[in-house]
Amino acid sequence: ETGVTQTPRHLVMGMTNKKSLKCEQHLGHNAMYWYKQSAKKPLELMFVYNFKEQTENNSVPSRFSPECPNSSHLFLHLHTLQPEDSALYLCASSQDIADNTEAFFGQGTRLTVV
Amino acid sequence: AQSVTQLGSHVSVSEGALVLLRCNYSSSVPPYLFWYVQYPNQGLQLLLKYTSAATLVKGINGFEAEFKKSETSFHLTKPSAHMSDAAEYFCAVKNTGNQFYFGTGTSLTVIP
Repeated sequence: ETGVTQTPRHLVMGMTNKKSLKCEQHLGHNAMYWYKQSAKKPLELMFVYNFKEQTENNSVPSRFSPECPNSSHLFLHLHTLQPEDSALYLCASSQDIADNTEAFFGQGTRLTVV
Repeated sequence: AQSVTQLGSHVSVSEGALVLLRCNYSSSVPPYLFWYVQYPNQGLQLLLKYTSAATLVKGINGFEAEFKKSETSFHLTKPSAHMSDAAEYFCAVKNTGNQFYFGTGTSLTVIP
């Protein structure tokens, strides 16, 4: 079983829809992250959770709403998105937020906003 | 503030040739450095990481990277390219705090 699992793998949604992305990690990690990957741009960190508490919000628009009910699950709730929000959304986890711990990534959700 | 620069968004090498992917970082303190690989329609997979032990770090799939403080570089190399190495490669830096700063990536093409 893969360490970090994201569902769905692909999502097409209209600008008025509400949808959620799900991430689950089976590694016993305490920190979880959402990243946005757009073409020709560096990975953008969106949110960080450590022990279920949000520790980073990188000026993400409120149409993206994260939820972390426990250390193993992370959601990204989406509503009234814009076409420019189309991207690959990657979830990651790490043992904790210490400097030398690497992140383990899921396979991503390819989101298309129409 | 941290930043990572990957020189060359596209690199092509012949199968069996040396792979060299460049990464330079800016950091006010010695950082932790990482190389990740991304295959099409996949997430990022860790290749190797530098955490202030040995300056030459060996990773998976025959890759290695050397930390050079004087040059603020962490270039990724592999002596002999294989077709399966074709992918996107990302350099990342992390230090005090909990943010990874990623480069824009280098797409590696291996020519048979």
